[in-house]
Amino acid sequence: AQTVTQSQPEMSVQEAETVTLSCTYDTSESDYYLFWYKQPPSRQMILVIRQEAYKQQNATENRFSVNFQKAAKSFSLKISDSQLGDAAMYFCAYRSAVDYKLSFGAGTTVTVRA
Amino acid sequence: DAMVIQNPRYQVTQFGKPVTLSCSQTLNHNVMYWYQQKSSQAPKLLFHYYDKDFNNEADTPDNFQSRRPNTSFCFLDIRSPGLGDAAMYLCATSRDGGNNSPLHFGNGTRLTVT
Repeated sequence: AQTVTQSQPEMSVQEAETVTLSCTYDTSESDYYLFWYKQPPSRQMILVIRQEAYKQQNATENRFSVNFQKAAKSFSLKISDSQLGDAAMYFCAYRSAVDYKLSFGAGTTVTVRA
Repeated sequence: DAMVIQNPRYQVTQFGKPVTLSCSQTLNHNVMYWYQQKSSQAPKLLFHYYDKDFNNEADTPDNFQSRRPNTSFCFLDIRSPGLGDAAMYLCATSRDGGNNSPLHFGNGTRLTVT
């Protein structure tokens, strides 16, 4: 079974600054997908960014980018120019290319200071 | 708008009294998932369907059952809820297991057991 580890339970960032959330995973598979999901308080979980393991280029979505290090099994999320609306719990998730299951890390709560 | 709809948003049931949570989707996705999320924790996969093919997680209690009568609907039945089953229950869908089909989540049903 795959495990996803987020070692930072909480992170705080000043508005307009950058914060990086860490994620590592354990797998014996060579093909898989990685995701970051955002869950604002009492609101729906939404996809932030995704990465295919076979792609070396790091994914970018506007202010969100990842640093994918396949050999190290690391998948960090960088939020640039942080905004108040970025405050949420962020989950790193792993999906095997073999089955359809998505495994989540424990989450990192991001607080944005005005 | 196409979406994943969970009803009700809040559900209160008594200890030991069966309860059913529902999920519907207008996305026509093949895969539907049920996750249990306890406060400030990662969502935990209970089971998923690929079309009518049911897949139960090994550690999902027998107390939890699921039905998918058609593509659009999926139900979570808790036969005899205990206090420990109080949680947010998230339904999600995906077109298939590939990276171009990320999970789409509903707003969740928060279950309280009294």
